Amino acid sequence: GQQVMQIPQYQHVQEGEDFTTYCNSSTTLSNIQWYKQRPGGHPVFLIQLVKSGEVKKQKRLTFQFGEAKKNSSLHITATQTTDVGTYFCAGSSKIIFGKGTRLHILP
Amino acid sequence: EAGVTQSPTHLIKTRGQQATLRCSPISGHTSVYWYQQALGLGLQFLLWYDEGEERNRGNFPPRFSGRQFPNYSSELNVNALELEDSALYLCASSLRGTTVDTQYFGPGTRLTVL
Repeated sequence: GQQVMQIPQYQHVQEGEDFTTYCNSSTTLSNIQWYKQRPGGHPVFLIQLVKSGEVKKQKRLTFQFGEAKKNSSLHITATQTTDVGTYFCAGSSKIIFGKGTRLHILP
Repeated sequence: EAGVTQSPTHLIKTRGQQATLRCSPISGHTSVYWYQQALGLGLQFLLWYDEGEERNRGNFPPRFSGRQFPNYSSELNVNALELEDSALYLCASSLRGTTVDTQYFGPGTRLTVL
């Protein structure tokens, strides 16, 4: 069945540094969704990517969908303390989530 | 517009007991999803209901069951509770059951099994 792998599992960055998390699927995806979960909170939808090679931006966040539609990335430029949390990707079915990347920001 | 609501916020049970968790989707949403999130871990899919029917089930034993009511609210039942069932149980709803519809998550029910 479909599997979605996320790396890294944890990332510590200094405030102001960039951060990237990667999501890889064993099968071609029709779309991919990204979520953010703050500590003690619940996942909040960030974005959905559908097209091969698609790139979408939300302020300091850049989302990419691979040409083969088997991988995706989330890049945060100049991290801020408000970016702390766990970032999850979810595959085509919406119900298969990666294990998430937990981002810690060092002041 | 009210978001997804879940009750109770916290639930403490002992081994062997039964737990019932409730979820009310966003108004107009017909699909409800249940996930288990053990401490520090990712989201494990439990169940998906749409239009009152169970559409998909994750890799969990039969003691995890649920239903969706005519008003699209949903209930998750966990029988014969085990210590490892302690987790945050998240409910999400989407407008329909298609793969492109966004899931909106509720705040979760924290289940502790002693």
